Amino acid sequence: EVQLVESGGGLIRPGGSLRLSCAASGFTVSSTYMSWVRQAPGKGLDWVSVIYSGGSTYYADSVKGRFTISRDNSKNTLYLQMNSLRAEDTAVYYCARHEQPNGYDAFDIWGQGTMVTVSS
Amino acid sequence: DIQMTQSPSSLSASVGDRVTITCRASQRISTYLNWYQQKPGKAPKLLIYAASSLQSGVPSRFSGSGSGTDFTLTISSLQPEDFAAYYCQQSYSSPRTFGQGTKVEI
Repeated sequence: EVQLVESGGGLIRPGGSLRLSCAASGFTVSSTYMSWVRQAPGKGLDWVSVIYSGGSTYYADSVKGRFTISRDNSKNTLYLQMNSLRAEDTAVYYCARHEQPNGYDAFDIWGQGTMVTVSS
Repeated sequence: DIQMTQSPSSLSASVGDRVTITCRASQRISTYLNWYQQKPGKAPKLLIYAASSLQSGVPSRFSGSGSGTDFTLTISSLQPEDFAAYYCQQSYSSPRTFGQGTKVEI
């Protein structure tokens, strides 16, 4: 079964760091694009970061310089290292797989989400 | 960044109703438009990609149309399990951006 399972969320103080994990099964994370998408409480969806199959990485301006996306091919796991956390980073964080049928691109598989709360 | 604007933000409907949600892009995006459904406390689910292609396993009462800047998601006959939030998302350029969502309520 194709599946993504996130972990690592929790309560963290402003300025702190947290690392989220996203374990994949049923496919290989290094063979496709993988993204992190977040959703603040009661709000909409907000793309955070992507890692391409070739290893290139890109970030939303709001997290650039603070967050780092990476993957461990041996563990088939995606990561999001979050540093210098702010209250506005409070959200449910989802990892998502990109499907690219016929040149298009969509998030076809999502994890269940992990909650990150930044508060003193 | 490409801005995506959905309307309405919420709507009330009954089982069996035909429901239409619109999404407008701030610039032309051809048919690089996806639709997702999200139920409370759950992850989003892909419904439609490339503006009108139905994702595998999605009921045929869902359909999408449009190109350029204006797009539509239609539910032909609303079912109890369709009460949820719906989001459009452009895949024309980075960063990928979403609409603000449309909540379909009873």
